[in-house]
Amino acid sequence: NAGVTQTPKFQVLKTGQSMTLQCAQDMNHNSMYWYRQDPGMGLRLIYYSASEGTTDKGEVPNGYNVSRLNKREFSLRLESAAPSQTSVYFCASSEIRTHSYEQYFGPGTRLTVT
Amino acid sequence: AQSVTQLGSHVSVSEGALVLLRCNYSSSVPPYLFWYVQYPNQGLQLLLKYTTGATLVKGINGFEAEFKKSETSFHLTKPSAHMSDAAEYFCAVGGSYIPTFGRGTSLIVHP
Repeated sequence: NAGVTQTPKFQVLKTGQSMTLQCAQDMNHNSMYWYRQDPGMGLRLIYYSASEGTTDKGEVPNGYNVSRLNKREFSLRLESAAPSQTSVYFCASSEIRTHSYEQYFGPGTRLTVT
Repeated sequence: AQSVTQLGSHVSVSEGALVLLRCNYSSSVPPYLFWYVQYPNQGLQLLLKYTTGATLVKGINGFEAEFKKSETSFHLTKPSAHMSDAAEYFCAVGGSYIPTFGRGTSLIVHP
């Protein structure tokens, strides 16, 4: 099992450019999440998908959109990148139905917006 | 509503010394509690978790944590620090679709 995979690992964008971060999990989990991590701020939830076909905003959704493509894949899109979106982005998955609640994280995407 | 407070953004210990990372939580329902570790340039991985039952929970790499309901605490300990323990540690409270993470504590281990 690969667990949670993310692509790309690194990306540099110019202000105003768009891009999509890809995430896939092979653990048959129902719930998937996108976080951003900034120094001193911990993890902040951007969007989550409780189950296939649903998405909801988290703490910091502005400037982002998401798509739950199928049960395995959950993508994050930046339509017009801003320097404030320079961050490390993590995708995670979880299986809530079995009351496990622990999250499994991908390796992250390091994004710089100039 | 739930929240997590990790006391100390940085903790510095000598190799071989006791590691103690503090976590206090608030939760309106019986909590599921977690500690995650993040090594440099990697994602978070689960160290240990408390759901129900025994309040002393053992995790990977010799870490353990004790759930103390009366103190609303879930402190992480390890008897003897190794250089390889240097990492960022996150406490989290779960039990719903959206977990709440603390801001993290960076563990620095000196030789």
